[in-house]
Amino acid sequence: DTEVTQTPKHLVMGMTNKKSLKCEQHMGHRAMYWYKQKAKKPPELMFVYSYEKLSINESVPSRFSPECPNSSLLNLHLHALQPEDSALYLCASSQDPGAWTEAFFGQGTRLTVV
Amino acid sequence: SQQGEEDPQALSIQEGENATMNCSYKTSINNLQWYRQNSGRGLVHLILIRSNEREKHSGRLRVTLDTSKKSSSLLITASRAADTASYFCATDHNQGGKLIFGQGTELSVKP
Repeated sequence: DTEVTQTPKHLVMGMTNKKSLKCEQHMGHRAMYWYKQKAKKPPELMFVYSYEKLSINESVPSRFSPECPNSSLLNLHLHALQPEDSALYLCASSQDPGAWTEAFFGQGTRLTVV
Repeated sequence: SQQGEEDPQALSIQEGENATMNCSYKTSINNLQWYRQNSGRGLVHLILIRSNEREKHSGRLRVTLDTSKKSSSLLITASRAADTASYFCATDHNQGGKLIFGQGTELSVKP
């Protein structure tokens, strides 16, 4: 199984809502990532989890809260988002955060904040 | 901040032609990777070239790396309509998991 599965595929939420994005991989990868991508732009790194611990936070606003319950799961909790947070949110995993090889990406969650 | 810059930003060619995309970066790297993204979907890894390698091939793909110029190129030979996608370079700067993406090249291959 070489898949990274993200749910939901699409999400529309109001600025006062609380929602969560989910990501799952069963490749035994020990590094997991959240990226944000706006239209016609490259993915921008948000968070890196290494061996289930948060190792990198790219100065992301606190309205985005990551969580890694176990080595296969990664969540992104959303609260009080702004319309400008609308984007494609991509989860990725790789075997070892210290030695970059191939990264596997999920299909993303298309988030719209209204 | 994004390290990589790519050119061209957009490229339109006919099926059967070759497509060349370039990527430049600013600081030293462990490796450089190329990814492909179909519209609005996840990224797919194409090829990785390490800092001590100069050229690598995979099927119709050829990647070169010039660390003295801090640049890389991706050549797709005998392009097909199915190659239509955005192509990104991504650099690993040995910062504990940071993979930084370039601005991307939008390739359109017309049948």
